Amino acid sequence: GQQLNQSPQSMFIQEGEDVSMNCTSSSIFNTWLWYKQDPGEGPVLLIALYKAGELTSNGRLTAQFGITRKDSFLNISASIPSDVGIYFCAGLKGANSKLTFGKGITLSVRP
Amino acid sequence: NAGVTQTPKFQVLKTGQSMTLQCAQDMNHEYMSWYRQDPGMGLRLIHYSVGAGITDQGEVPNGYNVSRSTTEDFPLRLLSAAPSQTSVYFCASSRRLESEEGPFFGPGTRLTVL
Repeated sequence: GQQLNQSPQSMFIQEGEDVSMNCTSSSIFNTWLWYKQDPGEGPVLLIALYKAGELTSNGRLTAQFGITRKDSFLNISASIPSDVGIYFCAGLKGANSKLTFGKGITLSVRP
Repeated sequence: NAGVTQTPKFQVLKTGQSMTLQCAQDMNHEYMSWYRQDPGMGLRLIHYSVGAGITDQGEVPNGYNVSRSTTEDFPLRLLSAAPSQTSVYFCASSRRLESEEGPFFGPGTRLTVL
């Protein structure tokens, strides 16, 4: 099945730093979702984006729906240790479609 | 609301054994699905259901059966477990198939097949 592209597979940052991650595809999506998975838990929805160019924030997290509708970006500012986990992007093409997931980026935050 | 619940949390099976992974949701969601998560592979859809009595295959359905007799429950059955089915299994639910609010995931079942 089609996958969304997330790279690198792992990221290591220092506490207090900002980090950006992106999600790209060769096809258009109408909805972009960003999930976070804490160790040993299920994914939890962070941000949902519904319009091309849309910029949405949730606390220290900001996500953008790319203008081309083929990508999305997530930024975490002033990282803290509890930001560690796996960040997944997911895309939805439209009515009667199923979600397509990226493989996720594992974020580590050094204190 | 408890959301999406899954049991058991951990399970070890021997090759050839059968078992059922339980999933229940109390949000009156029509759409339920099962995913497996393997290192480096992300989340892959096994089976899904758009309502009671209706199920369909996802990306990796082989070796798994599902049924949906009620809106609340969506069990996943392994008829003859194989080591390749060692994985973390997540059940999810949403109001509809193309829900823009995204599915809600359960806490997962960690399965090891020896």
